[in-house]
Amino acid sequence: NAGVTQTPKFQVLKTGQSMTLQCAQDMNHNSMYWYRQDPGMGLRLIYYSASEGTTDKGEVPNGYNVSRLNKREFSLRLESAAPSQTSVYFCASAGGGWYGYTFGSGTRLTVV
Amino acid sequence: DQQVKQNSPSLSVQEGRISILNCDYTNSMFDYFLWYKKYPAEGPTFLISISSIKDKNEDGRFTVFLNKSAKHLSLHIVPSQPGDSAVYFCAAIGDSGYALNFGKGTSLLVTP
Repeated sequence: NAGVTQTPKFQVLKTGQSMTLQCAQDMNHNSMYWYRQDPGMGLRLIYYSASEGTTDKGEVPNGYNVSRLNKREFSLRLESAAPSQTSVYFCASAGGGWYGYTFGSGTRLTVV
Repeated sequence: DQQVKQNSPSLSVQEGRISILNCDYTNSMFDYFLWYKKYPAEGPTFLISISSIKDKNEDGRFTVFLNKSAKHLSLHIVPSQPGDSAVYFCAAIGDSGYALNFGKGTSLLVTP
């Protein structure tokens, strides 16, 4: 089925470890996004990529880096994980002249 | 600064009755509004949207109303069903915006 695929679905990290969250979409969308969801905080934008080759910071970019590898893939990297980065991370894509997003199923990350 | 506000964290409604979820926004440049629905352990899914040139949009049991002068929109679900129990996010964007702005969400519980 067409959509947004995120891997892994779950991850536990120790403080200071690094990891990359992967996201791929097969809808030929230009724009891709990374959000985090925390209790009582809603969805907050970490980084976005309006098109292949461009990336920009969102509301909460500190502690993260991103790579738009190609039109399909947009990865999120935590270089040195901190407990404050414990969250559920969602990747989304948008395109076709519509503002709405298609979301992945999320990655639940715990940093201990 | 939160530009999209959902002031009710939770709402409980009996099956068959109307559910009304509210959303306020502060940015007068927003001209497109969306509602997303999220079940636990899944990504948000698009529910319904409305452009600022309209004041109402209907899709089956779901209707979104927009009051631009009050910077307020609401989602009506009639009749409510237990399967509607989920977190509902309001989102908004303007022409010059680069990403959707989300509210913190309202958790709806529909009881039998």
